[in-house]
Amino acid sequence: GAVVSQHPSWVICKSGTSVKIECRSLDFQATTMFWYRQFPKQSLMLMATSNEGSKATYEQGVEKDKFLINHASLTLSTLTVTSAHPEDSSFYICSARAGGAGNQPQHFGDGTRLSIL
Amino acid sequence: AQRVTQPEKLLSVFKGAPVELKCNYSYSGSPELFWYVQYSRQRLQLLLRHISRESIKGFTADLNKGETSFHLKKPFAQEEDSAMYYCALSGRGGGADGLTFGKGTHLIIQP
Repeated sequence: GAVVSQHPSWVICKSGTSVKIECRSLDFQATTMFWYRQFPKQSLMLMATSNEGSKATYEQGVEKDKFLINHASLTLSTLTVTSAHPEDSSFYICSARAGGAGNQPQHFGDGTRLSIL
Repeated sequence: AQRVTQPEKLLSVFKGAPVELKCNYSYSGSPELFWYVQYSRQRLQLLLRHISRESIKGFTADLNKGETSFHLKKPFAQEEDSAMYYCALSGRGGGADGLTFGKGTHLIIQP
């Protein structure tokens, strides 16, 4: 149980285009989803917290107009990298946390490798 | 600011030997600590969390607030333990906040 699917797993696109990444919780309802970014040989860095039906909370230094997050349902959150540039090339990973009583851990997707040419 | 430090990028031990992966943290309140594992070509998986106080796959980790540490231990390493291990911290219970990760330790178990 607690499977998180992330799509696409790999995308290459030209500079200036926008890229959408989807994160789905397949067998549970995720009231909260998180988006992380990982540069080569670096750790995962939290970008933003996404709560269903409300605006995302961005970490310091993350441009909200650059990285648009939508969490329209309890099973889907999307991250759109707008007008992507080579410096946006990175590994993006989402995680999802179920709601309800008790302390629910985060479950991670496989990640999306984004390469901007 | 919260921070997680894993001092070893790479740790190589022989099968059957004890393993200890170090993790130190910095946080002003009462954090929740986690260990995540990533096997080759697989996604990040929760290994254990300090509030559970359980042993998973023979691994244990005790939160030491005095030393601000949460080291991961296993008495007898197995080859299938080879993986990337990440220590992580949440400022609120249950990982309600996003996690702060350490840089990870690549554990290699030699036959």
